[in-house]
Amino acid sequence: KNQVEQSPQSLIILEGKNCTLQCNYTVSPFSNLRWYKQDTGRGPVSLTIMTFSENTKSNGRYTATLDADTKQSSLHITASQLSDSASYICVVRLPNTGNQFYFGTGTSLTVIP
Amino acid sequence: DSGVTQTPKHLITATGQRVTLRCSPRSGDLSVYWYQQSLDQGLQFLIQYYNGEERAKGNILERFSAQQFPDLHSELNLSSLELGDSALYFCASRGDRGDYGYTFGSGTRLTVV
Repeated sequence: KNQVEQSPQSLIILEGKNCTLQCNYTVSPFSNLRWYKQDTGRGPVSLTIMTFSENTKSNGRYTATLDADTKQSSLHITASQLSDSASYICVVRLPNTGNQFYFGTGTSLTVIP
Repeated sequence: DSGVTQTPKHLITATGQRVTLRCSPRSGDLSVYWYQQSLDQGLQFLIQYYNGEERAKGNILERFSAQQFPDLHSELNLSSLELGDSALYFCASRGDRGDYGYTFGSGTRLTVV
């Protein structure tokens, strides 16, 4: 079983609408949790990073939240744009390790005009 | 341009063949990570190098190997290729300061026919 599960697998929304992507994890404790945006044919780009003790982090129209009790994180996208069409990947890093990360399989978001 | 350069961008080869993927990390980054991304498995960590030395191994097959050279560029060698090796192969580099985030290259799309 994957230690980081994302939902939905895919999502189609109208331009201008808001949406929320979910990430459920079993890794605990962890060092930090990141959301990446991956455009088709390109490498992932970091959007937000939150430590275990943080609840929310914003980056423009992207806001990530973290609930350590329920082991859930969400990425909220406000006023979506066509350029938001991409895959969004949740990544959890284990503490005290330089290189152990767990990747979710991503949510594919399509924004249509 | 993320600063991480991968070549080639596309590669088509036959089963049983051997290929070499190349990665130049972002200037100053000593760590290089290789990932395989397939539709059903998402991003899978393969191997990490730090300043020329192997640091960690993930789900890397014995048919695959990698190395990091003194100039810090890295190569991923894939041999005895099978159809199932068709995937996107990403390289990422990471610095030793800041938020320790990955910077990904644009990937090499390998198609084995």
